[in-house]
Amino acid sequence: DADVTQTPRNRITKTGKRIMLECSQTKGHDRMYWYRQDPGLGLRLIYYSFDVKDINKGEISDGYSVSRQAQAKFSLSLESAIPNQTALYFCATSDPVAGGLTDTQYFGPGTRLTVL
Amino acid sequence: DAKTTQPTSMDCAEGRAANLPCNHSTISGNEYVYWYRQIHSQGPQYIIHGLKNNETNEMASLIITEDRKSSTLILPHATLRDTAVYYCIVRVYNAGNMLTFGGGTRLMVKP
Repeated sequence: DADVTQTPRNRITKTGKRIMLECSQTKGHDRMYWYRQDPGLGLRLIYYSFDVKDINKGEISDGYSVSRQAQAKFSLSLESAIPNQTALYFCATSDPVAGGLTDTQYFGPGTRLTVL
Repeated sequence: DAKTTQPTSMDCAEGRAANLPCNHSTISGNEYVYWYRQIHSQGPQYIIHGLKNNETNEMASLIITEDRKSSTLILPHATLRDTAVYYCIVRVYNAGNMLTFGGGTRLMVKP
């Protein structure tokens, strides 16, 4: 979805390096998410944010941190990258529907990260 | 969120309708049925969702049985670009707001 962009699209880094993945959206959504996907597996939630003052840990937050710089921007940092953080990383945004009873998530194109 | 069961893979001829089934026999009254798809290594793409009634949009139709224990996603005129893994998810909004993708159905559209 072109409304959600991620940079970089591909990144190769070395163990111990700090890296940042960035996500921007033009959908005007308050809610943003970071997921990772490993080969043959589903998505796992790393962090999510309901607005600029709200940050929440997801299922697998250890080794990661996030920053919500503005409604439209949500960054994911790996403080000291390790090889098992090699994965596809997706950013998503969502908008509640049905009076807040559910929501629909829209995903960016992904960042392929390789940690050597 | 309720568990879903989908066939591992399906084939469909280009131009024909693709009917992808999903069983969700333990669905609860406030859970919605969602369909997403993922084309190889791209970001998952939202397709459609519904609660009780059948739904249609520009991409697909969603047929939910009266007892809500199963549903079918219909792509009316499949194209080669519809080749993807299709995920059926049942969920209610919650504080975790996490999408849980199961195995999905790998749809292969053939010329």
